[in-house]
Amino acid sequence: SQQGEEDPQALSIQEGENATMNCSYKTSINNLQWYRQNSGRGLVHLILIRSNEREKHSGRLRVTLDTSKKSSSLLITASRAADTASYFCATGAGGTSYGKLTFGQGTILTVHP
Amino acid sequence: GAVVSQHPSWVICKSGTSVKIECRSLDFQATTMFWYRQFPKQSLMLMATSNEGSKATYEQGVEKDKFLINHASLTLSTLTVTSAHPEDSSFYICSANPGGGPYEQYFGPGTRLTVT
Repeated sequence: SQQGEEDPQALSIQEGENATMNCSYKTSINNLQWYRQNSGRGLVHLILIRSNEREKHSGRLRVTLDTSKKSSSLLITASRAADTASYFCATGAGGTSYGKLTFGQGTILTVHP
Repeated sequence: GAVVSQHPSWVICKSGTSVKIECRSLDFQATTMFWYRQFPKQSLMLMATSNEGSKATYEQGVEKDKFLINHASLTLSTLTVTSAHPEDSSFYICSANPGGGPYEQYFGPGTRLTVT
């Protein structure tokens, strides 16, 4: 079942601007991950943040996690046309559910050159 | 490293026939692989967990007799859609992780199934 809600559903920006996507979830998690999917293709892992972490950076990506609010955000700075894609958050549980991911609905990002 | 492949990348079949989709980890061994389904403009839904050497674990609402999963080796899992119907048309994606545990998953490129 889907537990993640993402907003906005669609985001359209100009090259050079920052893009922020939000994700909320409902149950306890071990980690939260962000993935990118180009149209009709597989998913590419972007970043993983563990439940005991609050912020993580990777290149132009910044992810925050607020477990008290059960929410996360993905910030892409200085966006490029090549960043155009769908972005999904996915939560991972621990225990016997290692590796299983529950995906959010996704945000479609369009970056105009 | 950590490359997952799928074959075929797309397939068209007639209603009532069966289709087999392969998921391979090319440069690592995976005791566990996952199968997802994605309908157009929607998110990924986990269908089942494929376990090498044992039965697959299916998510609630997924018919195990319709979606047969066989994890034949540490690098290969197959999903067979039996007696396919047009409503089974979807994008099927597998994932695996070389280290197990709560780490990022590596996804295959997906298989587009169209049932006519």
